[in-house]
Amino acid sequence: DGGITQSPKYLFRKEGQNVTLSCEQNLNHDAMYWYRQDPGQGLRLIYYSQIVNDFQKGDIAEGYSVSREKKESFPLTVTSAQKNPTAFYLCASTKPRNTEAFFGQGTRLTVV
Amino acid sequence: GQQLNQSPQSMFIQEGEDVSMNCTSSSIFNTWLWYKQDPGEGPVLLIALYKAGELTSNGRLTAQFGITRKDSFLNISASIPSDVGIYFCAGLRKETSGSRLTFGEGTQLTVNP
Repeated sequence: DGGITQSPKYLFRKEGQNVTLSCEQNLNHDAMYWYRQDPGQGLRLIYYSQIVNDFQKGDIAEGYSVSREKKESFPLTVTSAQKNPTAFYLCASTKPRNTEAFFGQGTRLTVV
Repeated sequence: GQQLNQSPQSMFIQEGEDVSMNCTSSSIFNTWLWYKQDPGEGPVLLIALYKAGELTSNGRLTAQFGITRKDSFLNISASIPSDVGIYFCAGLRKETSGSRLTFGEGTQLTVNP
């Protein structure tokens, strides 16, 4: 079945380490997004990409990096520069002509 | 960044009651989307609205795209316990850098049996 796959579901890292979260979609969607969600709060945009090899900063890009080498993949790296990385991370993609957005199941990152 | 103001932040209702929530913005959006999120899961799309003034239903859910393109509401009729969750509005806006999807802060819905 087509969909968006985020892995892993849970991730633990030591403070100061970089970590990469995976997001893969087989929906043939052009645009992909990364959001961060903190407890009891909404979704804040980290990065988004409309096409391969192009991406834009969202509202809270500092301490994060992304790449878009393939249409299907949009990995997010949480760097050691991110002051408070513990959060729930959600990846989304939108249909051609950018209408409805679909989400992965999320990755809960805990930094200890 | 762009702001979507969603209200109320939380609602506590009895099973069978109707629910209404809304989102407003100072910016115009091309598309309004409504999502539901269960704990620890990704949001699931409930309704998509594409035209100003559009009124769309999905079972017990009804949503409208405001005439000004700056607001939207979601109604849930005859609520049931499984309606519990967080509901988010989202606005999609085309910019020079591409389309950007912005979310409201969410409405936490609790339904008492």
